[in-house]
Amino acid sequence: AQTVTQSQPEMSVQEAETVTLSCTYDTSESDYYLFWYKQPPSRQMILVIRQEAYKQQNATENRFSVNFQKAAKSFSLKISDSQLGDAAMYFCAYRSAIGGANSKLTFGKGITLSVRP
Amino acid sequence: GAVVSQHPSRVICKSGTSVKIECRSLDFQATTMFWYRQFPKQSLMLMATSNEGSKATYEQGVEKDKFLINHASLTLSTLTVTSAHPEDSSFYICSARTLGSDTQYFGPGTRLTVL
Repeated sequence: AQTVTQSQPEMSVQEAETVTLSCTYDTSESDYYLFWYKQPPSRQMILVIRQEAYKQQNATENRFSVNFQKAAKSFSLKISDSQLGDAAMYFCAYRSAIGGANSKLTFGKGITLSVRP
Repeated sequence: GAVVSQHPSRVICKSGTSVKIECRSLDFQATTMFWYRQFPKQSLMLMATSNEGSKATYEQGVEKDKFLINHASLTLSTLTVTSAHPEDSSFYICSARTLGSDTQYFGPGTRLTVL
């Protein structure tokens, strides 16, 4: 079974600075998807970024980018120019590329990010 | 982006009553829907997976007779918590995905409080 590990429960960053959130995973599969979801105080889960394992290029979405190291099974999220609205809980998630529509997301425990003004 | 709605957002009920939570995909056809439970400051725990027109597949340890899931159409799934008790109090989140998509979209969640 796949596992996702987010070892840091909390992090803090100064507004306008850069922060990196760590995530590692364990799988024997070669094709899969990785995601970062944000859950602000409203508790609405928001997709931040996604990465397909067969793509070597790291995904980017505006101020958010990932460092995907397939061999190391590492998938960290970098937030540049941090804003107060980035304060939230962030979840790293894994999904197998097999299993079709029923393939499930496996979530890490999450990390709470606070942004200091 | 794709939108998933949930209703109600909050519900308070007495112990022993049943509560129904609706999950709708507003602008896409949800071939698969997922129901999660989340305790404060914790991760999402998958309860069950449902496909339109089929019986839901429950995760180990989830009582299917207590948490009834119906996925009657491509835009609607419901979770009914039967004979609710205080320990069922939690935040319930639905999520939906369409065939061929690798991304799940989440509803805003429902906070259930059982007195």
